[in-house]
Amino acid sequence: GNSVTQMEGPVTLSEEAFLTINCTYTATGYPSLFWYVQYPGEGLQLLLKATKADDKGSNKGFEATYRKETTSFHLEKGSVQVSDSAVYFCAREITNTGNQFYFGTGTSLTVIP
Amino acid sequence: EPEVTQTPSHQVTQMGQEVILRCVPISNHLYFYWYRQILGQKVEFLVSFYNNEISEKSEIFDDQFSVERPDGSNFTLKIRSTKLEDSAMYFCASLSGRNSPLHFGNGTRLTVT
Repeated sequence: GNSVTQMEGPVTLSEEAFLTINCTYTATGYPSLFWYVQYPGEGLQLLLKATKADDKGSNKGFEATYRKETTSFHLEKGSVQVSDSAVYFCAREITNTGNQFYFGTGTSLTVIP
Repeated sequence: EPEVTQTPSHQVTQMGQEVILRCVPISNHLYFYWYRQILGQKVEFLVSFYNNEISEKSEIFDDQFSVERPDGSNFTLKIRSTKLEDSAMYFCASLSGRNSPLHFGNGTRLTVT
């Protein structure tokens, strides 16, 4: 089937710690992969994306590499800030029946000073 | 930067009443979506809309739900007879084309009492 499995939270880190949020997908074909971020009280915003194998998406210090061999798209940041506290969603796009997006369950991150 | 706008930001209604949630997608986008997020839970797909018709819908999108694009700019979600379990954040999203990211509105918080 087509699904996205995301590391469960909540995750609590101290400021400047290293962040990894795991995401794996099942797929037929070659989906595009995305990370979205949801700050408190807001909608989802695109954080980064990768459209093919070995692509690395990056934005605001976050990175994720599309790894076909492990069907993964893990989100990383070398030094988190308090302002990174949010819920992070991994998503994949299916294009064989229109443009359909499937989201992971979300991982809540809290960064403490 | 163009945005997806949703109104109202918060809607309170009584069980059994009809509600219409409104969205104005980004003007040159072609694909439109409704998602919902029950408090603290995952983002669930409801329906996608392309070329003036529904292209895909989930099992959540039963006969109580309908969507419409009445005038070429608005995209509405109607719930005919609301239930308590319809209480959630409803997000509208739009997309310009394949391999592009979804752009989300800030959501409408629906509370059914």
